[in-house]
Amino acid sequence: AQKVTQAQTEISVVEKEDVTLDCVYETRDTTYYLFWYKQPPSGELVFLIRRNSFDEQNEISGRYSWNFQKSTSSFNFTITASQVVDSAVYFCALSLGGNQFYFGTGTSLTVIP
Amino acid sequence: DVKVTQSSRYLVKRTGEKVFLECVQDMDHENMFWYRQDPGLGLRLIYFSYDVKMKEKGDIPEGYSVSREKKERFSLILESASTNQTSMYLCASSLWGTGANNEQFFGPGTRLTVL
Repeated sequence: AQKVTQAQTEISVVEKEDVTLDCVYETRDTTYYLFWYKQPPSGELVFLIRRNSFDEQNEISGRYSWNFQKSTSSFNFTITASQVVDSAVYFCALSLGGNQFYFGTGTSLTVIP
Repeated sequence: DVKVTQSSRYLVKRTGEKVFLECVQDMDHENMFWYRQDPGLGLRLIYFSYDVKMKEKGDIPEGYSVSREKKERFSLILESASTNQTSMYLCASSLWGTGANNEQFFGPGTRLTVL
């Protein structure tokens, strides 16, 4: 069975602090895809990144970075120098390459000015 | 840009009413999905469709049905709304098939309250 765990329900940080959102996944498949989505207060989930299981290279995009470690089944997301606009709910998701996604329960991030 | 639109942002209905939630996508995607989002439970899949007139049950289909008569439109139907169906409903679409192209694109959501 597939499962995604986001153990952090809510996180608060002060602006300019770094913050890491944890994501742990479970699957027996060797081919899979991991995703992060951001859901701002407006409600629409916005795609941030996709990673396939064969590519463990970490990725950086501006203030965002992702650390994928197959050895610990984790796909963590770090925001550097957080800003108020980063306040949102963040979802990690797993896909086996078919049509169905398995979402975590989300982490609500509040950045305090 | 991919765009997924939902007919209403907020909806208030009474117990027992029949409710239609409409979703339209403009990117010719084969797949469309309906999720409900509840605090602490994340997103749970209700139904998805991979082609016109085709549908598959998700994790929580009870109390819901769907309709896909045209490729761009996917409707969620609550035959007899109940208070436990008060939730945020999210529609999404994606390209069909395996591989890396199955990123899902989401609409803005419909917050349904059943009184």
